[in-house]
Amino acid sequence: AQKITQTQPGMFVQEKEAVTLDCTYDTSDQSYGLFWYKQPSSGEMIFLIYQGSYDEQNATEGRYSLNFQKARKSANLVISASQLGDSAMYFCAMRDQGGSEKLVFGKGTKLTVNP
Amino acid sequence: DTAVSQTPKYLVTQMGNDKSIKCEQNLGHDTMYWYKQDSKKFLKIMFSYNNKELIINETVPNRFSPKSPDKAHLNLHINSLELGDSAVYFCASSPPTSKGETQYFGPGTRLLVL
Repeated sequence: AQKITQTQPGMFVQEKEAVTLDCTYDTSDQSYGLFWYKQPSSGEMIFLIYQGSYDEQNATEGRYSLNFQKARKSANLVISASQLGDSAMYFCAMRDQGGSEKLVFGKGTKLTVNP
Repeated sequence: DTAVSQTPKYLVTQMGNDKSIKCEQNLGHDTMYWYKQDSKKFLKIMFSYNNKELIINETVPNRFSPKSPDKAHLNLHINSLELGDSAVYFCASSPPTSKGETQYFGPGTRLLVL
């Protein structure tokens, strides 16, 4: 069974600094996808970034980058130049791309950006 | 133009009642899902439908019954509501996984059972 582990319940960062949110995963599948979502206090789920298991390059989307280390089964999210609006819950998720369609989520990390 | 919409956004009801949550997507996706987010913010899949056919049922009590009248709609009916059903319910849709695209989430329905 697939499993996502986020070991940081809460993180604090100063505005304009970079922060790394940890995510490790466990799967026996060869083909899978890894996702990061942001959930602000308003509650909606916002897709941030995607990494496929066969992608050779680390994914980047604006200030978000994914540090993908396949051998270590980790997919950490790096947010550069943090902004106050980045304060939110962040969820790492995995999807099997060969069979079951579901997303399996980690427990999330609450990020607080301090001015 | 909302991609995935849910109604109602908030639902407050008494224990024992029956309620429904509706979900519609206008993205042309074949697959739709229901997720439950509990009070600790943990998100877990409940059901998945592909082209109106149930493909995932994750050990959800029989009181929960999804219905998909067509591939753009996936409704969730809950019988005999219990206190533990209080949660946020998210509907989502996605294109085929081979494309590696994200799932698109609705805004969520906040259910409070008193």
